Amino acid sequence: GDSVTQMEGPVTLSEEAFLTINCTYTATGYPSLFWYVQYPGEGLQLLLKATKADDKGSNKGFEATYRKETTSFHLEKGSVQVSDSAVYFCALQNTGFQKLVFGTGTRLLVSP
Amino acid sequence: NAGVTQTPKFQVLKTGQSMTLQCAQDMNHEYMSWYRQDPGMGLRLIHYSVGAGITDQGEVPNGYNVSRSTTEDFPLRLLSAAPSQTSVYFCASSELATNNEQFFGPGTRLTVL
Repeated sequence: GDSVTQMEGPVTLSEEAFLTINCTYTATGYPSLFWYVQYPGEGLQLLLKATKADDKGSNKGFEATYRKETTSFHLEKGSVQVSDSAVYFCALQNTGFQKLVFGTGTRLLVSP
Repeated sequence: NAGVTQTPKFQVLKTGQSMTLQCAQDMNHEYMSWYRQDPGMGLRLIHYSVGAGITDQGEVPNGYNVSRSTTEDFPLRLLSAAPSQTSVYFCASSELATNNEQFFGPGTRLTVL
């Protein structure tokens, strides 16, 4: 079945450091890919998405490119802030289906 | 718009007790779903609905019931709580077309003793 694999956390960075969180997927067909973020004590909210190969999703300085050849959707940010501390979830949604398949989440901790 | 609301925020149950987690949305979304979040396991789909009167099972449905009598509400019922159901529960909703953002509620933290 469909699955998403994320790097283990926590990822600990200093403010203004470069961030990469790896995400790879296994799916039949042509899924859409998402990054959701969960701030402490809150529900998940959509950070960015890409719906086809080579699409780049971006929001709030975060970017991720849909790479079909490597089945990856890595999340990057050039300069993280303390306010970016959260748990980040990679997810896929396969064609014709509503349900999301989530990775296990990666906690990011950014210190001043 | 209130978005997706969930009640209660916290709940402690004893093994064997039953309860209902409430979920409501005011965005007229056809699709609603329930997930549970456990450490190291991400979010797993329990049940979902594509419209009033229509529900289906997700990945981990055992021990849970749902119904969808209105577009707005999608309650999750625990029939006889077990310690394995200790988790954080999230309700989500979206428009029915794929690739649309799913909107999540703030969650209910449930502990079963």
